[in-house]
Parts: sequence; C-alpha cells; structure tokens
Amino acid sequence: QTVVTQEPSFSVSPGGTVTLTCGLSSGSVSTTHYPSWYQQTPGQAPRTLIYSTNTRSSGVPDRFSGSILGNKAALTITGAQADDESHYYCVLYMGSGIWVFGGGTKLTVL
Amino acid sequence: QVQLVESGGGVIQPGGSRRLSCAASGFTFRNFGMHWVRQAPGKGLQWVAFIRYNGSNKYYTDSVKGRFTISRDNSRNTLYLQMNSLRAEDTAVYYCAKSHPTAGPDYWGQGTLVTVSS
Repeated sequence: QTVVTQEPSFSVSPGGTVTLTCGLSSGSVSTTHYPSWYQQTPGQAPRTLIYSTNTRSSGVPDRFSGSILGNKAALTITGAQADDESHYYCVLYMGSGIWVFGGGTKLTVL
Repeated sequence: QVQLVESGGGVIQPGGSRRLSCAASGFTFRNFGMHWVRQAPGKGLQWVAFIRYNGSNKYYTDSVKGRFTISRDNSRNTLYLQMNSLRAEDTAVYYCAKSHPTAGPDYWGQGTLVTVSS
C-alpha cells in the first residue's frame, strides 16, 4: 500500500521561510492527487490551508502557498510567525474514492 | 457559515457498536460529498470514509471495511457513521468534514471522542 510521506519535524526562525513536503513511497505527486494541506494545534480541529495543490482556503494569509516541487507537493510558509507553530498534514487522492493523509510535520518556530 | 457538529461518541466495549452523527448547517448539504476522518490519541489524521453527495457511492479505508458504514440523510442534513465490531485501535476523535468539489475535506467539525475499552 502506498504511503504518503512528510517530514516528521521541521524548525524555522521567526520571519524565515520554510517548505514542507508531501510525497509518495512509490511514484510522484501530481495535481491529479489534489493535494490539500491542513494546520492543527493540540486539542483543536484541523484548519484547511490549501486545497487542489495551490488554492488558499478562505481567510488564509498569502504567506501560505502550495505547489508541486519536483515529485512532491509542497507547502511554503514565508515570514513565519510564532503562531505558525503547529502540526501540518497533507492529504492526497489515490483514486477510486480513496484519500490518504501523510503522517504530519511538527513545525517549531524558534 | 459552515457548521458541522458531531455527536454519539463515548466509551464502548470491544466488539460493540456505535453510531456517530454529524449535523450540518450553513451550506446546501445535499450538494456536497462528506468525509469521516479520525485521530487516535497522540497520532496523526487518518481518512476513514467518504460518501458522495447523493449517497450513491461510499468508500472506506481498508481497516474499517466491512465494519463501518457511512450514510447520510439529506432531508435531515445529517451524516452518519455506523461502527460495528469495534476494536481498541478504533479509539480516536472522529471528525466529520465537508468535501470540496475538487479536493478533499475543507470544513471540519470539532470531533467526537470514541473510546473502545473494557
């Protein structure tokens, strides 16, 4: 079974730029996987940041952007702020109605 | 605004059953597919099931196939998840989520906790 891969952890300095990725254990991620990105802080429901590769959800600041970089989906945060410290999850469409989440990336801002 | 409110969680014995509900408002429920997503304590998100806008097609992750059933009542704006033969590893917060027409989940409820324990 194909696994969706994410970096387990990442750190960024305040004001810095960080790119989180979402890959496949076998094959490349493309727009036909309709990658979406979510932010979750402990005890809270996920918040949708990006859907369909690069479309920002309503109310999401433009310092969050999505793309395909090489063979992976990517979430880039520019001008990182303290309240960006969260877990970030991607989800990919695998076809036949099946979606699979990545294991998540814990982002530290320090 | 979109609002999704889950209910039905609680403590269930292994092998037992439970039905979760998700009451939807703030959008035309009958026009959108819906997901259930769960999160075990201290773990990541796991997609569980999806149902098309009219209930015509249903899809499940392998670990719940044959045990869980997703359904909807468009007249009541309500999504359901019937969970049978529950196992300890089904312990999780269960979220319902509205599906974007060309993407995955976009709006989420606050979740309901299901604990499978004797």
